[in-house]
Amino acid sequence: EAGVAQSPRYKIIEKRQSVAFWCNPISGHATLYWYQQILGQGPKLLIQFQNNGVVDDSQLPKDRFSAERLKGVDSTLKIQPAKLEDSAVYLCASRGTPGGGYTFGSGTRLTVV
Amino acid sequence: SQQGEEDPQALSIQEGENATMNCSYKTSINNLQWYRQNSGRGLVHLILIRSNEREKHSGRLRVTLDTSKKSSSLLITASRAADTASYFCATDPISGGYNKLIFGAGTRLAVHP
Repeated sequence: EAGVAQSPRYKIIEKRQSVAFWCNPISGHATLYWYQQILGQGPKLLIQFQNNGVVDDSQLPKDRFSAERLKGVDSTLKIQPAKLEDSAVYLCASRGTPGGGYTFGSGTRLTVV
Repeated sequence: SQQGEEDPQALSIQEGENATMNCSYKTSINNLQWYRQNSGRGLVHLILIRSNEREKHSGRLRVTLDTSKKSSSLLITASRAADTASYFCATDPISGGYNKLIFGAGTRLAVHP
């Protein structure tokens, strides 16, 4: 089974610019997660989708971050405008069924300069 | 917010020695999982232990869970240089909503040849 695909792998932008990340989960996985991992820390959940609906976005900085999963398959996470503190690895994960395992993508490493 | 705290933050051992990492968490859980992350890479699932289990083994890995103390430990026996990585515990907290993973800050393990 193919894994969770993320792109781009790396991105460098200047502060106040916009950036978007893409995630394609494992086929058939209903639940999709975006995590932010700052260097030296554990991943922090930003947003969770069940099919194409948001079920948890309590830690998403909504003034600058947005995410969508329009057809219940792939998802995009956008930051507009970016700040220096947004420099991190953005990880996407998917899960098929309650009690099933989580599969993580390789992540997108964002550097804001 | 992060649910778990790993201890120690960093661990340095020689090949062949055992490595023990501990995790404490705050709320009641469905299960607890351990992940490994090599530098700059995605998260790899190692083992899942359910709240009604006390101990689980997988190859050189041994995980224990004490729900009364809200703590878990990961033991890696006969360590190898290839075990060098960061290790994270992640809890699936009991809630009225959908399942999600909350990560700790991780333990950075260095195994020297």
